[in-house]
Amino acid sequence: ETGVTQTPRHLVMGMTNKKSLKCEQHLGHNAMYWYKQSAKKPLELMFVYNFKEQTENNSVPSRFSPECPNSSHLFLHLHTLQPEDSALYLCASSPLNYGDGYTFGSGTRLTVV
Amino acid sequence: QKEVEQDPGPLSVPEGAIVSLNCTYSNSAFQYFMWYRQYSRKGPELLMYTYSSGNKEDGRFTAQVDKSSKYISLFIRDSQPSDSATYLCAMSEGGGADGLTFGKGTHLIIQP
Repeated sequence: ETGVTQTPRHLVMGMTNKKSLKCEQHLGHNAMYWYKQSAKKPLELMFVYNFKEQTENNSVPSRFSPECPNSSHLFLHLHTLQPEDSALYLCASSPLNYGDGYTFGSGTRLTVV
Repeated sequence: QKEVEQDPGPLSVPEGAIVSLNCTYSNSAFQYFMWYRQYSRKGPELLMYTYSSGNKEDGRFTAQVDKSSKYISLFIRDSQPSDSATYLCAMSEGGGADGLTFGKGTHLIIQP
């Protein structure tokens, strides 16, 4: 384990479902991130939270809704997704001065059917 | 526009060879450069972190940054089958939590 835990590891959902992805870190980091990883594409930054405050929303559709109740937990709420949203969703955390880089979780493999 | 170019491979080399992985970028404001390694079904893990231009060595790994050419490299000496993975370059303008811009990753295969 890297210190960043994501659940579930795999998720299959229909286009009308509502589900949530969970991320938890106990590294003492103050910043948390959601990234989307699709085949043959670079990791795409979705959301950034610093000290529980959202500081970046990278033009993500509203069917993705993040929540950061405290600096250790991050959620991504999903509703009415499309098949093209199928991807690996990665959570990461870092200190504000990320001299040690980001620490990533193992991701949630999402399939929308 | 932020953009990082990286050859997706696959790059296949025999065990023991020196591997060279590269990225080019267009944003001259990038100052922080990283290399991540990602095994199948795992998240990326940080290998090397470099600020501005220059070289950095850690064991069998050497990272080079040439800001004048907007070109970064990762060298792996005495490559091992366990080095088989996808290598992602990443970079950012600031040292704070403003998010990273990634390349697509290069899939590396080390043949025993």
